[in-house]
Amino acid sequence: KAGVTQTPRYLIKTRGQQVTLSCSPISGHRSVSWYQQTPGQGLQFLFEYFSETQRNKGNFPGRFSGRQFSNSRSEMNVSTLELGDSALYLCASSSPVNTEAFFGQGTRLTVV
Amino acid sequence: AQSVTQLDSQVPVFEEAPVELRCNYSSSVSVYLFWYVQYPNQGLQLLLKYLSGSTLVKGINGFEAEFNKSQTSFHLRKPSVHISDTAEYFCAVRGTYKYIFGTGTRLKVLA
Repeated sequence: KAGVTQTPRYLIKTRGQQVTLSCSPISGHRSVSWYQQTPGQGLQFLFEYFSETQRNKGNFPGRFSGRQFSNSRSEMNVSTLELGDSALYLCASSSPVNTEAFFGQGTRLTVV
Repeated sequence: AQSVTQLDSQVPVFEEAPVELRCNYSSSVSVYLFWYVQYPNQGLQLLLKYLSGSTLVKGINGFEAEFNKSQTSFHLRKPSVHISDTAEYFCAVRGTYKYIFGTGTRLKVLA
């Protein structure tokens, strides 16, 4: 069974640009969540989707948005990038049966 | 509100020595607790989880943790560490449609 797949693995963007990150969950998993990991703030929850509906959202500005498609794949978008958005963005999927989240390898975003 | 505190940011230990990584949680409801490990430039991998039942939980790679409700702790232990255990370890509690993570403990195993 394939794990959680995140693309791309690495990204370099310029301040002011926007970026879209993609996450394909484990087959059969309908819940997808996103986390931002930085050395200063640690792992911070961004949002969670289940069956195309956002069920929970973390304390991030509106520049951070996401969506989930009918096949459970998810994307997150960050507009008007700032230097502070440089981070490892992790996606996780889970099913109602599983009680744990399965994480992808992350997308390393660098804003210059 | 739920929260997790990892008391040590870094723990150096010699190879084949025992190690304990400390985690305390705060929750007003029943808790599901987890330990994850992260190797450099990788995602998080589940080591073990506590949902209910026996308070001693065994995980992968020889790790175990003990749930202590009275002390609100969930410390991770390994009787003999290897160089390959060098990584960052995160304690987490499951909240509503999200996980709340501690700040992580960097375990450095020395030869």
